[in-house]
Amino acid sequence: AQKVTQAQTEISVVEKEDVTLDCVYETRDTTYYLFWYKQPPSGELVFLIRRNSFDEQNEISGRYSWNFQKSTSSFNFTITASQVVDSAVYFCALSEGYSTLTFGKGTMLLVSP
Amino acid sequence: DAMVIQNPRYQVTQFGKPVTLSCSQTLNHNVMYWYQQKSSQAPKLLFHYYDKDFNNEADTPDNFQSRRPNTSFCFLDIRSPGLGDAAMYLCATSGGDGGPTDTQYFGPGTRLTVL
Repeated sequence: AQKVTQAQTEISVVEKEDVTLDCVYETRDTTYYLFWYKQPPSGELVFLIRRNSFDEQNEISGRYSWNFQKSTSSFNFTITASQVVDSAVYFCALSEGYSTLTFGKGTMLLVSP
Repeated sequence: DAMVIQNPRYQVTQFGKPVTLSCSQTLNHNVMYWYQQKSSQAPKLLFHYYDKDFNNEADTPDNFQSRRPNTSFCFLDIRSPGLGDAAMYLCATSGGDGGPTDTQYFGPGTRLTVL
């Protein structure tokens, strides 16, 4: 069974629009960690955030914000006032037990001027 | 300053000709990982080292091998590349024990082309 679902394959927005990338996960563990990574066209995976399962507080970092809701097993990522440089593939990932990262299939975000 | 370095960034090899990809890190992290990422797919873990302990994923083909001569360096050897091995190969490191609390930091990747 897929453990991390990113249902949006591709999203296109115009610069300055807000955009939310969805991530739904599945786990039986009570302790787990969720991550978001950005992969620009250059290929490098850039770490954005890590959240543990006991911390449901939403987080804001500049134009980025994350909404973690255990009740719906979701960890959504919002970019406010998107910019062309935000164009990338964004991966949500889950780490649980003694396992390494399980990635979702990624969402490609295209921000046009 | 680059923290996880991969060389070369682009590698072209011929079908069946062995190839080695290199990864080095300046973070002094215990764990190093190798991922394979094919076009429009998520990264797939091939194996990882916790210090010198090698951990192979169950579905990693025998064609893929790895070496970690010291903390800083890790190599991916593809003994007989096939056309299906063309992909981006990503190296990552983490400072813990490879468990769920670790945050992995990735290098820029090596894009392998097999002719």
